[in-house]
Amino acid sequence: DTGVSQDPRHKITKRGQNVTFRCDPISEHNRLYWYRQTLGQGPEFLTYFQNEAQLEKSRLLSNRFSAERPKGSFSTLEIQRTEQGDSAMYLCASSLHRDYSTQYFGPGTRLTVL
Amino acid sequence: GQQLNQSPQSMFIQEGEDVSMNCTSSSIFNTWLWYKQDPGEGPVLLIALYKAGELTSNGRLTAQFGITRKDSFLNISASIPSDVGIYFCAGQLKGAQKLVFGQGTRLTINP
Repeated sequence: DTGVSQDPRHKITKRGQNVTFRCDPISEHNRLYWYRQTLGQGPEFLTYFQNEAQLEKSRLLSNRFSAERPKGSFSTLEIQRTEQGDSAMYLCASSLHRDYSTQYFGPGTRLTVL
Repeated sequence: GQQLNQSPQSMFIQEGEDVSMNCTSSSIFNTWLWYKQDPGEGPVLLIALYKAGELTSNGRLTAQFGITRKDSFLNISASIPSDVGIYFCAGQLKGAQKLVFGQGTRLTINP
């Protein structure tokens, strides 16, 4: 399968713990995006990378959130000191630079903070 | 932030019926996309539209980019059980990288 992959698919953690999610984009895609989706809502943009550079961050991305894409391939999203309000589906998407509108999503990581 | 108004919020139809849903905005979008999402999964891209007035089909699905660039619709013909799911419209403003999503239309089909 050559689509976007995410790991883990599900994560249950206790409030105050740190969690890290991984995203592997489609291999030739140099743009990578993170979105968050809460129940009953559409996805909301968090941040995006072009290669290894993080070029835009949403106001939703509080200082407890950090994303990296060190080698311009896979990306990680870390949430420190998780709160119950962080419970959501975290989606990763990727696109080609020349066709950045057409974003392909991964299966998501469902985070539950107890 | 930008809002996309997607309607209807839910639809309950009989198998074989045609379905129509739409998305409107007060802003002008450069791109419209339609996705389908199954429970516990990520959105799957159905159709992407890049020009005002563009009409594009993907099997039984047809979508159009409104002339005003502020709306789009998706039609599904002859619905089948596997069409069940949540359909999202998404738009991209000129110069923006992110997608803005509607609230979704939940489609339920009675066999």
